[in-house]
Amino acid sequence: DSGVTQTPKHLITATGQRVTLRCSPRSGDLSVYWYQQSLDQGLQFLIQYYNGEERAKGNILERFSAQQFPDLHSELNLSSLELGDSALYFCASSPPVGTGELFFGEGSRLTVL
Amino acid sequence: GESVGLHLPTLSVQEGDNSIINCAYSNSASDYFIWYKQESGKGPQFIIDIRSNMDKRQGQRVTVLLNKTVKHLSLQIAATQPGDSAVYFCAENINAGNNRKLIWGLGTSLAVNP
Repeated sequence: DSGVTQTPKHLITATGQRVTLRCSPRSGDLSVYWYQQSLDQGLQFLIQYYNGEERAKGNILERFSAQQFPDLHSELNLSSLELGDSALYFCASSPPVGTGELFFGEGSRLTVL
Repeated sequence: GESVGLHLPTLSVQEGDNSIINCAYSNSASDYFIWYKQESGKGPQFIIDIRSNMDKRQGQRVTVLLNKTVKHLSLQIAATQPGDSAVYFCAENINAGNNRKLIWGLGTSLAVNP
């Protein structure tokens, strides 16, 4: 158990819909990262937050948005969903000091029908 | 450009043999490299890391080798076990101002045959 909690574990929805994925980082970790993993693809970095502020942006679509709340949990919002958005979405956290090792949650599997 | 790639997308080994998973990177500014293991249905899990000022680091049954001359990284797993079956990712860490940027490879799938 990495200490990072993600909900829901599985989600099935239809095209055009909107979903919210939730992540609780490890206790004491200030950074939260979101990754997308599709079939036959590696981990695609979406976005990073540090103590409530956006720190880095990766290949995140404009239809997607995220935020980190004062209690440090984070949400990833995916809207106008398309079939191609079906993927595993991982959240990871890292401690404020150290080498940058990421601790990953178990992921949220999104299926868009 | 910045990229991390893998020489072999899949690797099949016999139980008890040693496994070697390779990774190439292109960014000379990378100061830290990490190997992660991802088992089916789970999130990636840290295995071992190495700083750019080292060329070898050993863990429990795993060894990471770094060759900065040719920008090559490898993960060696000794006496591979069925539980080692997973996808292995290398990642390079680049200091970008006040932030760290982690660039991931595509992953190598390791299958251990009993």
